[in-house]
Amino acid sequence: GEDVEQSLFLSVREGDSSVINCTYTDSSSTYLYWYKQEPGAGLQLLTYIFSNMDMKQDQRLTVLLNKKDKHLSLRIADTQTGDSAIYFCAGGGSTLGRLYFGRGTQLTVWP
Amino acid sequence: DAGVTQSPTHLIKTRGQQVTLRCSPKSGHDTVSWYQQALGQGPQFIFQYYEEEERQRGNFPDRFSGHQYPNYSSELNVNALLLGDSALYLCASSLINEQFFGPGTRLTVL
Repeated sequence: GEDVEQSLFLSVREGDSSVINCTYTDSSSTYLYWYKQEPGAGLQLLTYIFSNMDMKQDQRLTVLLNKKDKHLSLRIADTQTGDSAIYFCAGGGSTLGRLYFGRGTQLTVWP
Repeated sequence: DAGVTQSPTHLIKTRGQQVTLRCSPKSGHDTVSWYQQALGQGPQFIFQYYEEEERQRGNFPDRFSGHQYPNYSSELNVNALLLGDSALYLCASSLINEQFFGPGTRLTVL
């Protein structure tokens, strides 16, 4: 299987950028995903990146992938209080296959 | 277009009982996966169904079983419940490279 590691907590001020980091062990992961979970809710797919890409940008979100170091990051620009949630990094080895999740990073945004 | 739906929202059972959780996938999705999320942890893959067959299975005992119907909806069954089965159970449906999750069923075993 795959191990996915994330730091557990991140606090930022409203308006700053947030960077959430993730490392993974299985270099055969084809896709790498970022999900957001608000209290008491399911997981919301934010974005994903194919393993042969270095970067993907989607509005306020930027995903960077360093395949050599097996390191994935999610940058949220102009972070808002509504961005406060748990963010999960997940790897998938094949299309429609199982996902391996990290423990999640609790992002707290202070006004 | 409704997203992934799950029922019930919450469930309380006692040890040794059996439970059935239900999932309706997003319209047009034919693959359903089930995950268990314990408190403070990331989701753990239980199994995946495609064309009414179990296609992949995670490291869960045989007490966990499932079914997929011709309309792609799915059930997760857990027999002989243990206290450690208390968790949020998430269903995800898939199309191409994206898995979309439902709101989950919170199962509490007393």
